[in-house]
Amino acid sequence: AQSVTQPDIHITVSEGASLELRCNYSYGATPYLFWYVQSPGQGLQLLLKYFSGDTLVQGIKGFEAEFKRSQSSFNLRKPSVHWSDAAEYFCAVVPYSGGGADGLTFGKGTHLIIQP
Amino acid sequence: DTAVSQTPKYLVTQMGNDKSIKCEQNLGHDTMYWYKQDSKKFLKIMFSYNNKELIINETVPNRFSPKSPDKAHLNLHINSLELGDSAVYFCASSQSDRATEAFFGQGTRLTVV
Repeated sequence: AQSVTQPDIHITVSEGASLELRCNYSYGATPYLFWYVQSPGQGLQLLLKYFSGDTLVQGIKGFEAEFKRSQSSFNLRKPSVHWSDAAEYFCAVVPYSGGGADGLTFGKGTHLIIQP
Repeated sequence: DTAVSQTPKYLVTQMGNDKSIKCEQNLGHDTMYWYKQDSKKFLKIMFSYNNKELIINETVPNRFSPKSPDKAHLNLHINSLELGDSAVYFCASSQSDRATEAFFGQGTRLTVV
């Protein structure tokens, strides 16, 4: 079965500083990979996704992520964080190529705190 | 126009009661899901329905029963509510025959007292 590890439960970053959130997955083949963000009291919003092709993917709100097959990683980055980026970030995988009705397997999330 | 909508947003109820959460999607997707987010924010899939057929039924107490009257709706009925059922429940939808992300509702915060 697939699994997702987000090793950092909490991360504190100063506003304007760069950010990297780590995500490692365990799966026999290349899964589909996602980063979602959850603001307090809100639902989950997709930041970006990787299905195939260019391993560096751009998302919304200035985020990007890089898929590294050799490291089974899909780390999320942002060059300069804003106070509004404070939220819970989830990495997720789905094993199916071409879709399917399998649900997402989520990491346990990283809580991002922005210091003024 | 909301893509995936859940009602109610908040639900407070006593132990032993039966309650339902409704979910509707207007994206034309053929697959819908229920996820549970616990107090530590961990998200885990509970059920998956494809074209009204149950596909995934994770280890969930049989007090939880999903019902899909049509492709656009997936309701969650919970019998004999227990304190441990307190959580946020998310509905989501996706299209099974192509690579696409899942779209989530805003969640229903269930509190059992």
